[in-house]
Amino acid sequence: KQEVTQIPAALSVPEGENLVLNCSFTDSAIYNLQWFRQDPGKGLTSLLLIQSSQREQTSGRLNASLDKSSGRSTLYIAASQPGDSATYLCAVRPPYNTDKLIFGTGTRLQVFP
Amino acid sequence: EADIYQTPRYLVIGTGKKITLECSQTMGHDKMYWYQQDPGMELHLIHYSYGVNSTEKGDLSSESTVSRIRTEHFPLTLESARPSHTSQYLCASSFKRTGSYNEQFFGPGTRLTVL
Repeated sequence: KQEVTQIPAALSVPEGENLVLNCSFTDSAIYNLQWFRQDPGKGLTSLLLIQSSQREQTSGRLNASLDKSSGRSTLYIAASQPGDSATYLCAVRPPYNTDKLIFGTGTRLQVFP
Repeated sequence: EADIYQTPRYLVIGTGKKITLECSQTMGHDKMYWYQQDPGMELHLIHYSYGVNSTEKGDLSSESTVSRIRTEHFPLTLESARPSHTSQYLCASSFKRTGSYNEQFFGPGTRLTVL
């Protein structure tokens, strides 16, 4: 059974720091992996999607990497800002059912001025 | 920005009431999903649909039911709400086409409290 774990569960940093959020999954057979952002009481915003054949994706200050063989993905946030404060979720899609998303519990990030 | 809407955003209701959570999308997506998220916990898929007149149960058993009569609309109904149904319910949608990678777009969620 696929399980997704995110470490750390919570993170508090001063503005301007570069951050790394970690996601690990127990079964390396995945279709793709998606990173989301969730603001308190709100829905999810898709940040980056990495196909299983890709190693990384970039969008602005965000860079996500994927090491499928070791079951890991990292989300790198450069020059963090208070507006980055949110919960960051990673989710994997298994190849046997690409409609399914298996979520981790998230990393709650707070960036203070 | 995704055009997927959920109403109501917040609902506080008494035990035994029938409720319907609305979800609609204007992107012409074929597939739609309902997730349940308890505070501090993972999202779990409870229902999904591949298109009109298609509904499937997800991983997490739920007493709720869904219908898909129109492509853009995917309501979720609880016939008799109980305190154990207190949770956040998130709706999502995606394209059914090659190259979309099933990327899902989420609505803002409905936070349900059953007293």
